[in-house]
Amino acid sequence: KAGVTQTPRYLIKTRGQQVTLSCSPISGHRSVSWYQQTPGQGLQFLFEYFSETQRNKGNFPGRFSGRQFSNSRSEMNVSTLELGDSALYLCASSLDPGTSGVTDTQYFGPGTRLTVL
Amino acid sequence: GQQLNQSPQSMFIQEGEDVSMNCTSSSIFNTWLWYKQDPGEGPVLLIALYKAGELTSNGRLTAQFGITRKDSFLNISASIPSDVGIYFCAGHPRGDDKIIFGKGTRLHILP
Repeated sequence: KAGVTQTPRYLIKTRGQQVTLSCSPISGHRSVSWYQQTPGQGLQFLFEYFSETQRNKGNFPGRFSGRQFSNSRSEMNVSTLELGDSALYLCASSLDPGTSGVTDTQYFGPGTRLTVL
Repeated sequence: GQQLNQSPQSMFIQEGEDVSMNCTSSSIFNTWLWYKQDPGEGPVLLIALYKAGELTSNGRLTAQFGITRKDSFLNISASIPSDVGIYFCAGHPRGDDKIIFGKGTRLHILP
């Protein structure tokens, strides 16, 4: 079974631009979560989607948004990029969120490395 | 909100040594997960624990779900150079939809 895939792997943008990142979950997984990882802050939760609905949201400004499609693929958008948005953006999928046990185990993709100049 | 305290933050060991790291919380967790992350890659799941007291091995790795459900540890036996990386604990707190991550333990192996 293929793992979580993320595209693109690397991206360079300038301040003020906007960016869209894509995530394809493991086949059969319906939950997709997004994280921002920086050396100073570690893994920070952005949001989680399940069945095309945002179920949970972290403490990020409205410039960060996402959506999920009917095939469970998800996209994340960041508008008006700032230098501090440079980070590794990770996507993780699981069978079913909000449960305890096997179905909530998250599997990560390789990430998209975003550099904002 | 719930927090996971992961320690130590970093470790410097000799090849062949055993390694131990742990995560603790003031909250009860229903699930404990241990991940390893190599530079430039996403975290890879090493071991998942679902029941209090559960002890699970994956090769040279062993992890346990604490009896109190508020802690977990990961042991690595006979470390080798490819064990270098950052190890994260994560857990699903009782009554919370979100999975919480520790800040990671960075493992260095001295030549």
